[in-house]
Amino acid sequence: SQQGEEDPQALSIQEGENATMNCSYKTSINNLQWYRQNSGRGLVHLILIRSNEREKHSGRLRVTLDTSKKSSSLLITASRAADTASYFCATPRETRQLTFGSGTQLTVLP
Amino acid sequence: DVKVTQSSRYLVKRTGEKVFLECVQDMDHENMFWYRQDPGLGLRLIYFSYDVKMKEKGDIPEGYSVSREKKERFSLILESASTNQTSMYLCASRRDRDGYTFGSGTRLTVV
Repeated sequence: SQQGEEDPQALSIQEGENATMNCSYKTSINNLQWYRQNSGRGLVHLILIRSNEREKHSGRLRVTLDTSKKSSSLLITASRAADTASYFCATPRETRQLTFGSGTQLTVLP
Repeated sequence: DVKVTQSSRYLVKRTGEKVFLECVQDMDHENMFWYRQDPGLGLRLIYFSYDVKMKEKGDIPEGYSVSREKKERFSLILESASTNQTSMYLCASRRDRDGYTFGSGTRLTVV
């Protein structure tokens, strides 16, 4: 089964609204990463948050990590049509390669 | 910026053919990975490599092999393509402790 699971599976919002996606994972981690994938393309690394961090910002992105609940959230503020994409969380295994969740499909309506 | 280049965006091959998917990165990364992505199944790791001439099986290596003769190039080989290998193939590379950089993907159709 997947290490990370995103929630919701799909999200549709109006341009200008905020979008929040959640990720739950099962085992202890030393970091958690979020990626974006535009339709038919490769994934793009957005942000990495380490296990000793609780919150991290990058532009319009805000990521939180709660290691006690084994969960993370990605907030995109003031969303734009160009934010339409799938968003994945990913966690490293002991052998260093990443395991990806199943993704949240975000649609931002103009 | 780090660039990961996959040789083909779209590929159509016949059942039984030997297929080579090439991936090249330009930032001297030690680690390279091959995933396949299918609807409903997410990204699944096929093979990865931590160094030249080194390879490790991922979660679904059956029907695939890899080659890493040079640090910058990691090739995925389908020994005898089958229709169930129709998929999006994604190559990635990274330096230790960093995030992955992905290629644009190769959409392979086996007919």
